[in-house]
Amino acid sequence: QQPVQSPQAVILREGEDAVINCSSSKALYSVHWYRQKHGEAPVFLMILLKGGEQKGHEKISASFNEKKQQSSLYLTASQLSYSGTYFCGTERRDDKIIFGKGTRLHILP
Amino acid sequence: NAGVMQNPRHLVRRRGQEARLRCSPMKGHSHVYWYRQLPEEGLKFMVYLQKENIIDESGMPKERFSAEFPKEGPSILRIQQVVRGDSAAYFCASSPVGRDSYEQYFGPGTRLTVT
Repeated sequence: QQPVQSPQAVILREGEDAVINCSSSKALYSVHWYRQKHGEAPVFLMILLKGGEQKGHEKISASFNEKKQQSSLYLTASQLSYSGTYFCGTERRDDKIIFGKGTRLHILP
Repeated sequence: NAGVMQNPRHLVRRRGQEARLRCSPMKGHSHVYWYRQLPEEGLKFMVYLQKENIIDESGMPKERFSAEFPKEGPSILRIQQVVRGDSAAYFCASSPVGRDSYEQYFGPGTRLTVT
């Protein structure tokens, strides 16, 4: 079951914050977050393995609510370099990662 | 430390021809995954391989598509008798261990165009 990402697209001004959500209808073992710039390979951001776990990467952090089967990615004080498409990938134990359709983020100067 | 390498980066094939896509994982990685991406779509899992073994091919179309990861050399995704619907970006990724949540490192992709 493909996870559902929301919103589908976001336009921000530099310095603003954003939240990207990822929901699954199945119980999850982990959630992966990747960013892909146009024409490039997806780049790993972080994995969340435990319910309630939060992780950070520069000004990008994420949380994982195992009970609600969802994860959220937080982008604080966004920079131009944050532009791209963000994918969450959900994983059940010993199974493949299933990626969402992505959230397109565009940062304006 | 070279990253994941894929070649060719762009491949044009006529309908009915064969396409061979190559992927060399990062040094020390023995797990390879292939994904297909259509414009404005997410990454669709195709197959997961270890050296000389196909672990999970649940995302592979039943016909015309095959994958291998030999003991020596790159992993190869082979598409026989290509059709227009096969046009997409194909990414491979590698990881040092298998499932249970290790990050995957993606290659730059091969963009296949079927004319």
